[in-house]
Amino acid sequence: TQLLEQSPQFLSIQEGENLTVYCNSSSVFSSLQWYRQEPGEGPVLLVTVVTGGEVKKLKRLTFQFGDARKDSSLHITAAQPGDTGLYLCAGARGGSNYKLTFGKGTLLTVNP
Amino acid sequence: GAGVSQTPSNKVTEKGKYVELRCDPISGHTALYWYRQSLGQGPEFLIYFQGTGAADDSGLPNDRFFAVRPEGSVSTLKIQRTERGDSAVYLCASSLKGDTQYFGPGTRLTVL
Repeated sequence: TQLLEQSPQFLSIQEGENLTVYCNSSSVFSSLQWYRQEPGEGPVLLVTVVTGGEVKKLKRLTFQFGDARKDSSLHITAAQPGDTGLYLCAGARGGSNYKLTFGKGTLLTVNP
Repeated sequence: GAGVSQTPSNKVTEKGKYVELRCDPISGHTALYWYRQSLGQGPEFLIYFQGTGAADDSGLPNDRFFAVRPEGSVSTLKIQRTERGDSAVYLCASSLKGDTQYFGPGTRLTVL
């Protein structure tokens, strides 16, 4: 059983469209992070959310942490081909903030 | 500045052989982490070092896997008697005192 479920697993859209990807769990996390990973590279941190209900914006990306700190979403406005990549969410729990549990990721392709 | 580097970038070995994977963390980072990413999966935690000592090795799958960090900088992940199921990308990350983890590009291990 995957502790963090991400959906959809694959998403292919046209440039300019909006999209939302989800990260869900039955467990509570002390913090949740979103990463983007490109082929042949390691994950790169986009954002960390720590407070239930928190919303953070990074240019065209909006991240939300659920009120109960069990789920999160990433919304991209006016997607661009440069947004293409694997989006991973990762949670940290309790006293083990260093020990990240990753979801399987959403593979996003933005077509020009 | 220089990021996390990992060598080799690719390693092909035969079943039963011994392999060593190297990680050079960002200079000054006291925390170092190893993850394993199988095809179609998110990274999976293996081990966490704080300085020279392994603070948490609970993610190592069995006793064929071992990691060292003798001087608190470079780390080596060692796998004995490799099996085909060990094939994956092995990612290393480092952080300053356990906060944001910066990932290297990974070593792709293929066991034939």
